[in-house]
Amino acid sequence: DVVMTQSPLSLPVTLGQPASISCKSSQSLVHSDGNTYLIWFQQRPGQSPRRLIYAVSNRDSGVPDRFSGSGSGTDFTLKISRVEAEDVGVYYCMQGINWPVTFGQGTKVEIK
Amino acid sequence: EVQLMESGGDLVQPGGSLRLSCAASGFTSSTYWMTWVRQAPGKGLEWVASIKPDGSEKNYVDSVKGRFTISRDNAKNSLYLQMNTLRAGDTAIYYCVRGGGRLADYWGQGTLVIVSS
Repeated sequence: DVVMTQSPLSLPVTLGQPASISCKSSQSLVHSDGNTYLIWFQQRPGQSPRRLIYAVSNRDSGVPDRFSGSGSGTDFTLKISRVEAEDVGVYYCMQGINWPVTFGQGTKVEIK
Repeated sequence: EVQLMESGGDLVQPGGSLRLSCAASGFTSSTYWMTWVRQAPGKGLEWVASIKPDGSEKNYVDSVKGRFTISRDNAKNSLYLQMNTLRAGDTAIYYCVRGGGRLADYWGQGTLVIVSS
């Protein structure tokens, strides 16, 4: 199975400051079709997960541009340029290159 | 508007069975992989199973193989999860998700399954 490792697991951030979450996979997520199957989700307290970014760096419709995804191969990063109160929640990365689909452990973002 | 509505969650005894349903609307579900993902209380996300648009391919996480069966009825725009021989470790919110591991773009609100005596 592809192991997804996120860090940090807890991220206290000051409002208006940047935040960065790392996600590393145990094998390359680059498919033979040329796509890289790495997705980021946000789960606000009491809500279902919401997809933020797909294929490493493509933001979903309605996702603020303060969210950005980057990376390649086995190393990926989700960045929030200026954290707002509504960004509180848990963020997960997920790989879809192989079965079983696997998630990172989740990173809890909270306001200091 | 894409909507996914799960139902069927309940309190069930260990060893029991339960069938979850997911009603899809706002899109033609027959053209998408569909997936079940679960989340144990206070824990992270765990992919459970996915099914191809025509139902010809199904994939499961090892911990549910032989106990859970994913199926779909495209005529009814519905997805199902038959869960047998339930264990305490299956206690979780079960989410219906549009797409497989390469899409996962829409999630339902979830249905709670509690396995306890």
